[in-house]
Amino acid sequence: AQSVSQHNHHVILSEAASLELGCNYSYGGTVNLFWYVQYPGQHLQLLLKYFSGDPLVKGIKGFEAEFIKSKFSFNLRKPSVQWSDTAEYFCAVNAFTGGGNKLTFGTGTQLKVEL
Amino acid sequence: GAGVSQSPSNKVTEKGKDVELRCDPISGHTALYWYRQSLGQGLEFLIYFQGNSAPDKSGLPSDRFSAERTGGSVSTLTIQRTQQEDSAVYLCASSRDRFTDTQYFGPGTRLTVL
Repeated sequence: AQSVSQHNHHVILSEAASLELGCNYSYGGTVNLFWYVQYPGQHLQLLLKYFSGDPLVKGIKGFEAEFIKSKFSFNLRKPSVQWSDTAEYFCAVNAFTGGGNKLTFGTGTQLKVEL
Repeated sequence: GAGVSQSPSNKVTEKGKDVELRCDPISGHTALYWYRQSLGQGLEFLIYFQGNSAPDKSGLPSDRFSAERTGGSVSTLTIQRTQQEDSAVYLCASSRDRFTDTQYFGPGTRLTVL
């Protein structure tokens, strides 16, 4: 079965700092990769996704992620964070096992951006 | 509808009672998923529907949990004889079809078992 690891559980940054959140998955086959975000009091929203092609994908609000197949990684980055980026971030993988598109999530990273 | 909706938003129940949680997916979405978000376990897959059938129930934690979907739309997750460890946020998601990987999530139902 596939699994997803997010190494940073809590991250605190000042506004304008750069962000990188780590995500590693374990699955040897074809995968689709996602980052979801959950802002305080809101539901999960898709930030960005990788299906195929260019391993550097860009999402909403200036976020990007790079798929490195050899490292089984899909790290999330943002050059300059804003206070409004305070949220919980989840990495997820969908492995093609024939059972629909169920997502396996990492444990999440709580990001707090201070003014 | 405009998005996935779930009801109730909060449910407090006593241990041993049965509860029903409802999900209305985005109109036209044939695939529907239930997940559970709890402090100890993070976000876990429970069950997946394609139309009214459930090809993957592998995430249901026990036989106290069941789900159905009718008319290819609304889904109900039922937990019988609730236990305190069932306390969690139950999330529903839908996608256009089983081959569309973007799942849209509802706001969740927060279940508290006393």
